[in-house]
Amino acid sequence: NAGVTQTPKFRVLKTGQSMTLLCAQDMNHEYMYWYRQDPGMGLRLIHYSVGEGTTAKGEVPDGYNVSRLKKQNFLLGLESAAPSQTSVYFCASSFPRASQNIQYFGAGTRLSVL
Amino acid sequence: QKEVEQDPGPLSVPEGAIVSLNCTYSNSAFQYFMWYRQYSRKGPELLMYTYSSGNKEDGRFTAQVDKSSKYISLFIRDSQPSDSATYLCAMSPIIQGAQKLVFGQGTRLTINP
Repeated sequence: NAGVTQTPKFRVLKTGQSMTLLCAQDMNHEYMYWYRQDPGMGLRLIHYSVGEGTTAKGEVPDGYNVSRLKKQNFLLGLESAAPSQTSVYFCASSFPRASQNIQYFGAGTRLSVL
Repeated sequence: QKEVEQDPGPLSVPEGAIVSLNCTYSNSAFQYFMWYRQYSRKGPELLMYTYSSGNKEDGRFTAQVDKSSKYISLFIRDSQPSDSATYLCAMSPIIQGAQKLVFGQGTRLTINP
């Protein structure tokens, strides 16, 4: 089972460039999430989705946009990259069982903005 | 002040030692408490999951939650070099719906052979 797959694994951008990070899950999960991880900051939620066609803002949404056109895919876009967006980005998904709402994470995308 | 505080370490102990990792939090609405383990250049993976106060044991790992003190702990017995990783605590204030986890900063742990 692939679980949660993120592409690309690494990317270097110049300030002002745009890019899209792709997250795909094969577990039929309803919920999907995008986080960023920075040294000393832990994981911070950027955006999340509770189902196909729905998205919502997390803790640090500025500078990012997302789309969930298909249940299995969750895209994170940077329209005009800034050095402050240099980070490791993680996608996660979960199935909304009341007893165990566990999030499963991808391997991450390392992004550097020069 | 952050909602969840975790000592970032690094923490280095000899093989076989008992390891104690801790987090404190300020939001009394948190009901679900999790520990994730993250190996270098990998994504976090769930290690332990507890609801409300109490203890939960799984092999060499024990998770404790003390809601009255807003304090959670993860104990690792008979630590192994393969336990070397960053350990993240995470908490959630709701049961159903989108689980908006709040993470601690993570503690980097090294077990020396």
